[in-house]
Amino acid sequence: DAGVIQSPRHEVTEMGQEVTLRCKPISGHNSLFWYRQTMMRGLELLIYFNNNVPIDDSGMPEDRFSAKMPNASFSTLKIQPSEPRDSAVYFCASSPVAQETQYFGPGTRLLVL
Amino acid sequence: KNEVEQSPQNLTAQEGEFITINCSYSVGISPLHWLQQHPGGGIVSLFMLSSGKKKHGRLIATINIQEKHSSLHITASHPRDSAVYICAVYSNTGNQFYFGTGTSLTVIP
Repeated sequence: DAGVIQSPRHEVTEMGQEVTLRCKPISGHNSLFWYRQTMMRGLELLIYFNNNVPIDDSGMPEDRFSAKMPNASFSTLKIQPSEPRDSAVYFCASSPVAQETQYFGPGTRLLVL
Repeated sequence: KNEVEQSPQNLTAQEGEFITINCSYSVGISPLHWLQQHPGGGIVSLFMLSSGKKKHGRLIATINIQEKHSSLHITASHPRDSAVYICAVYSNTGNQFYFGTGTSLTVIP
């Protein structure tokens, strides 16, 4: 298995632009997680899905952030409009079920200028 | 107060030393995770445990549910163990994951 796949690996954009991050979980995994990591705040859970349904989105910073999981093999995290403070590494992880071992993708390094 | 606290924040050790990283938490868990983040940024899940002890190679993780405390031990440390180690707990009362701030370990040859 290829593991969790994220794209793009790097993204540089200007403030105000829309950013879409993509994630393909490991096949057969029912839980998918989106994390953000910054130097100031460390690793934070943004949202997670069980069987494509959002379970907890209390970590989503504000309405500019939205996440979807239209099917079991694909999820997106969208930021619209982006701001410089959104610059971070965004990780996607999947697990067979929510409480089991999570497998992390390589991350998307986002820089908003 | 953080729901998950780790100590120490930074740790430097000589190759071969025995290392202990501690994690204390205040929320109910089901279960507790230890993650390793390498200098390149990749994150690997090391352990997931709900009770007792688990061992994988030179790594040992223990947890005391009553004391809400977990430790990660590295025996015969090696420079390739240099990484940030993060403790995380899942609170099934609030469907939340809580993370420690991480322990940055540097092992010197």
